[in-house]
Amino acid sequence: NAGVMQNPRHLVRRRGQEARLRCSPMKGHSHVYWYRQLPEEGLKFMVYLQKENIIDESGMPKERFSAEFPKEGPSILRIQQVVRGDSAAYFCASSPLRGGQETQYFGPGTRLLVL
Amino acid sequence: AQSVTQPDIHITVSEGASLELRCNYSYGATPYLFWYVQSPGQGLQLLLKYFSGDTLVQGIKGFEAEFKRSQSSFNLRKPSVHWSDAAEYFCAVGADSSYKLIFGSGTRLLVRP
Repeated sequence: NAGVMQNPRHLVRRRGQEARLRCSPMKGHSHVYWYRQLPEEGLKFMVYLQKENIIDESGMPKERFSAEFPKEGPSILRIQQVVRGDSAAYFCASSPLRGGQETQYFGPGTRLLVL
Repeated sequence: AQSVTQPDIHITVSEGASLELRCNYSYGATPYLFWYVQSPGQGLQLLLKYFSGDTLVQGIKGFEAEFKRSQSSFNLRKPSVHWSDAAEYFCAVGADSSYKLIFGSGTRLLVRP
């Protein structure tokens, strides 16, 4: 059973470009979570999605950031008009049921560098 | 508000020595507690978790943790550290029925040969 997959593993963007990060959950998992890890810090919750639904995006910046988890295909975290402060590691996690009572399994992360 | 504190930013131990990493949380009820390990450039791997029951939890790679309600702590221990244990360790809390894991800022473990 493959784990959570994220791609790309590394992404370099210039200021003002768009960054698109993909996450394929573990097989049988329908709950996806995105976290951001700034340098020298712990992970911070961004958004929780189920198939075709955003359940909680309270940790997501109000502007430039969006997330989706379509019926088919991976979950996408999109950052428009990136700025240097967006440089971070972005981790996706998945669980078979709603997290908290279920373990969240993390992917390897996408490390975004904004020049 | 819920919070997780890992008071030690760095810890260095000699290979074969025992290890204890501290974690304190702030939450009114009994939380769900997790320890994850992150190797350089890698994702997070779950070491162990506590939901309820026996307060001493066994995990992978020879790690264990003990939940102490009176001290609001969930310290991670290993009796004999191996060089491959060098990594960053994160304690996390999931509040009751919450999917938002709250992470501590991590403890970086260095292992001396």
